[in-house]
Amino acid sequence: DTEVTQTPKHLVMGMTNKKSLKCEQHMGHRAMYWYKQKAKKPPELMFVYSYEKLSINESVPSRFSPECPNSSLLNLHLHALQPEDSALYLCASSQVGADPANTGELFFGEGSRLTVL
Amino acid sequence: GEDVEQSLFLSVREGDSSVINCTYTDSSSTYLYWYKQEPGAGLQLLTYIFSNMDMKQDQRLTVLLNKKDKHLSLRIADTQTGDSAIYFCAESIRNDYKLSFGAGTTVTVRA
Repeated sequence: DTEVTQTPKHLVMGMTNKKSLKCEQHMGHRAMYWYKQKAKKPPELMFVYSYEKLSINESVPSRFSPECPNSSLLNLHLHALQPEDSALYLCASSQVGADPANTGELFFGEGSRLTVL
Repeated sequence: GEDVEQSLFLSVREGDSSVINCTYTDSSSTYLYWYKQEPGAGLQLLTYIFSNMDMKQDQRLTVLLNKKDKHLSLRIADTQTGDSAIYFCAESIRNDYKLSFGAGTTVTVRA
């Protein structure tokens, strides 16, 4: 299984709603990532979890709250979002560590397309 | 992606070769990658090259790396309509979780 599965594929929410994006992988990867991607732009890193601990937060506003319940799951909790937060949210996973076989490749999910009204 | 630069658009005739170019600035890059993104989809790794290699070939794909000029290219032979997508160049440094992406090259294949 070389898949990263994201749900939901599409989400429309109002600025006062609370919702969550979910991500799952069963490749045994111990690093998981959230990226935000606007149309025709490269992905922008938001958060990195390594061994279920938050290791990178790219100064993301607190209305985005990540959670890594276990090594296979990654959530992104959304609350009080703004219309400019509308984007494709991509989850990714990768191996961790200095093993020579580790190419650092990120495996991406298909993304959750979020629209904030 | 300010450390990785790509041209934004490429139009190619079906059956011709496509060449997408990328320049990067970090000489300590360990791996360099080419990702493909089709409309409405996530990013798919096409190929990668380790920084101590000059060339890598994988079926229709050829990657060339010029470390002196910090220049990376991806050649797609016999380009097909299914190759129409955005192609992102990216670099990483070993043990660093951050990938630096280029802005992406939109490749359009015309009949």
